[in-house]
Amino acid sequence: NAGVTQTPKFRILKIGQSMTLQCTQDMNHNYMYWYRQDPGMGLKLIYYSVGAGITDKGEVPNGYNVSRSTTEDFPLRLELAAPSQTSVYFCASSYLGQGPYEQYFGPGTRLTVT
Amino acid sequence: GQQVMQIPQYQHVQEGEDFTTYCNSSTTLSNIQWYKQRPGGHPVFLIQLVKSGEVKKQKRLTFQFGEAKKNSSLHITATQTTDVGTYFCAGQTQLVMNAGNMLTFGGGTRLMVKP
Repeated sequence: NAGVTQTPKFRILKIGQSMTLQCTQDMNHNYMYWYRQDPGMGLKLIYYSVGAGITDKGEVPNGYNVSRSTTEDFPLRLELAAPSQTSVYFCASSYLGQGPYEQYFGPGTRLTVT
Repeated sequence: GQQVMQIPQYQHVQEGEDFTTYCNSSTTLSNIQWYKQRPGGHPVFLIQLVKSGEVKKQKRLTFQFGEAKKNSSLHITATQTTDVGTYFCAGQTQLVMNAGNMLTFGGGTRLMVKP
C-alpha cells in the first residue's frame, strides 16, 4: 500500500491564483482530513470528510473548498490565493473501527503565495 | 471550543539526558494520541491512550494519561540523536460514528539533541 499520497510536493502561487491540492489514500479509510501547519506551529483542521459525498468545515475553512466523490480522493481547492495561505498542507486519513483511531498523514504540500 | 496546550515549546538536551513534554486539555478526552514529526517530514503516529491513568511504554518512551483524562505526558529516557523532532499530542473527545471525530492537536514540543 502507498498509504496517503499528495501532489504536488511544492508549489509557488501568485496572489489571486487558484490551485487544487490532490490527496489519495489506498487504505479504504472512511475518514479523511486536511490540515495546515504554519512554521513552528501545530496542525489546524481545514476540512474533513466522513465518507464519499460528505464533507464539513474544520477550524480554519475560509478560502478553501473540498469535495469527496470517491472513498480514495479528497482534493483541496484554493481560490484566490493570499499570502496568509502560505503553509504546509497535510492530508490524513483514518478508519473508525476497532481502534486505535490513528490518523495516517501524507508527505505534505509546501505552498508559498507571493 | 476544545483547546490542547503543550509545554515546553522547545527543549534542548544533551544526548543521554531525559526529556519530558506535557499536554493539557480544556475538556475531558475520550483518548489522546501522540505523534512525532521529523524535521521536514509529516506527523507519524506513536501511540494512543484510552484509559484513565494508563501508562504505556515503547522502548525508551513512556506515555501517561491522567486520571481525569485531561492531561498526558511523554517521557524519553536517555535521549539519542534519532529522537530529534517535534512531538505532538492530539486529543479526541467522544467518538461518534459519522461525526468526524476530529483530533485537536497541541502546539508541539520541538526536541533538539546535542551529540
